[in-house]
Amino acid sequence: EPEVTQTPSHQVTQMGQEVILRCVPISNHLYFYWYRQILGQKVEFLVSFYNNEISEKSEIFDDQFSVERPDGSNFTLKIRSTKLEDSAMYFCASSETGPATEAFFGQGTRLTVV
Amino acid sequence: RKEVEQDPGPFNVPEGATVAFNCTYSNSASQSFFWYRQDCRKEPKLLMSVYSSGNEDGRFTAQLNRASQYISLLIRDSKLSDSATYLCVVTTGGSYIPTFGRGTSLIVHP
Repeated sequence: EPEVTQTPSHQVTQMGQEVILRCVPISNHLYFYWYRQILGQKVEFLVSFYNNEISEKSEIFDDQFSVERPDGSNFTLKIRSTKLEDSAMYFCASSETGPATEAFFGQGTRLTVV
Repeated sequence: RKEVEQDPGPFNVPEGATVAFNCTYSNSASQSFFWYRQDCRKEPKLLMSVYSSGNEDGRFTAQLNRASQYISLLIRDSKLSDSATYLCVVTTGGSYIPTFGRGTSLIVHP
């Protein structure tokens, strides 16, 4: 069964450092997403990506964040100058035909900023 | 008012019980509705989409009430493996940003 894969599963970084979270969406999917979930809180939408550009982004997704599809398979989330409050589980997801359809989530990257 | 609200629970029920969750949403322009399941420290997984006419998948039934702006999930004959957090997700036409509720925790005990 095709799945979304994310690496690394756990990332520890020092405050102020930059991190890149990586995702390989399902191959025939066209829409890609990043979400975050702070421990004990709800899943929050960060950004959606379609046709090699951002289609929607939330208020959380400010200049500290960027996304990229550097090749035909990877989808990355870069967080610059990390803060303690960036500590969370970051989920990548993809869907075949758009946000109103089923999204498949990766297993997540747990980011810990110390 | 929060965009998507759910009773956090936990709902603690015995095996075989029927349990129902509700989710209310604030934006009347909302167009797509889903129930996801999330196990502890795992990723969300789609349980079912919610259609205007209501839909059923085995022991699970989802209903949408646009007039009152809520969706519901009914689980019949609960199994131990149904223990999880159930997330309500709503997308709104125009922006199509999916908004998650905080989830309702279900614990099914023997």
